[in-house]
Amino acid sequence: SQQGEEDPQALSIQEGENATMNCSYKTSINNLQWYRQNSGRGLVHLILIRSNEREKHSGRLRVTLDTSKKSSSLLITASRAADTASYFCATGGRDDKIIFGKGTRLHILP
Amino acid sequence: GAVVSQHPSWVICKSGTSVKIECRSLDFQATTMFWYRQFPKQSLMLMATSNEGSKATYEQGVEKDKFLINHASLTLSTLTVTSAHPEDSSFYICSADSGYEQYFGPGTRLTVT
Repeated sequence: SQQGEEDPQALSIQEGENATMNCSYKTSINNLQWYRQNSGRGLVHLILIRSNEREKHSGRLRVTLDTSKKSSSLLITASRAADTASYFCATGGRDDKIIFGKGTRLHILP
Repeated sequence: GAVVSQHPSWVICKSGTSVKIECRSLDFQATTMFWYRQFPKQSLMLMATSNEGSKATYEQGVEKDKFLINHASLTLSTLTVTSAHPEDSSFYICSADSGYEQYFGPGTRLTVT
């Protein structure tokens, strides 16, 4: 089953610009996480935001969570070529399952 | 940080054969592990929840007789793809729950010819 829907599905921006990806989900959650995946590789955990938090920062990453709208956003500031990857939101519920969204493919243009 | 390993990292097998994939938590015990499957350019789909000492719980649409899961110890879960077919070719990823956080393995790429 798939919990989240990310938009856009694909995003191409110039290096140095900011990239914003959105995620919507359907059921109540305990937390929401964002992961990065380079092509054909494993997952890299980026950030976790709990259901009682509204915003969280980690380096160039900023994540927001709006539980009333069941949505989250991931902002990557000052993008770099190395940020080219797929980004997934994933929700965690009381059953400890982590359910992934469909993902956004981000391409940073030189 | 906690590490989860998978073995093998990639495998090629012939149609009709069975393939076993191991998922190990290297520095913590995990009573619960999860198995995911990812087709090219798609997201991760949860296949099943693996519980130490008991039967796995499968997500809707996942054939339990085709994807055998054995969680024999607190650090090891195995996924066996039985009678593999080309449509089973995929990237299989496990995660292990430390009780505080889930840690993902690096994945196993299965190609069935």
